Amino acid sequence: GAGVSQSPRYKVTKRGQDVALRCDPISGHVSLYWYRQALGQGPEFLTYFNYEAQQDKSGLPNDRFSAERPEGSISTLTIQRTEQRDSAMYRCASSPNTGEQYFGPGTRLTVT
Amino acid sequence: AQRVTQPEKLLSVFKGAPVELKCNYSYSGSPELFWYVQYSRQRLQLLLRHISRESIKGFTADLNKGETSFHLKKPFAQEEDSAMYYCALSSGTSYGKLTFGQGTILTVHP
Repeated sequence: GAGVSQSPRYKVTKRGQDVALRCDPISGHVSLYWYRQALGQGPEFLTYFNYEAQQDKSGLPNDRFSAERPEGSISTLTIQRTEQRDSAMYRCASSPNTGEQYFGPGTRLTVT
Repeated sequence: AQRVTQPEKLLSVFKGAPVELKCNYSYSGSPELFWYVQYSRQRLQLLLRHISRESIKGFTADLNKGETSFHLKKPFAQEEDSAMYYCALSSGTSYGKLTFGQGTILTVHP
């Protein structure tokens, strides 16, 4: 079946603009995770959902970052007033709650 | 706090040689450990997890709680093993966040 999809795959935006990154998980997967990966680093946790409930948002770096999953399926990560330091690969993963996470291809965000 | 350390950023071996990718962790509870792999132009995918005790693509990893290590090993490396490898940890009590190491780029030369 289809894997996790993310859109857009690449996003270039000017500093100060808002961006919305979308994640479409594997159908039926209960949990959805967002990670951010800077160049040369491993992915870093941002937030995760069980169904529509945001269970942990401890990794969101500041209040410019928010995420939602209103119907327990597709999720959107929004970054307001983007800054150059927000440039990174943003990865989404979903899980049927077996511990294994299935990753999407990622969205490469560049803030100029 | 959870932490995963992969001391080698780059590792090069020749085809047929043994390979070991090191991973050390710090966590006060009972963690679950994973190895994820990213081949060129592919997405991150699970290679193996310690609770399954499986050998995947010839790789094995043993959780050593005394040394807080979860090193990945393969006795005879193949060129197709060239990839980025990440060690990751979760709390094990609920399937929440993964904490990743920085990753090791493995290159297997012909």
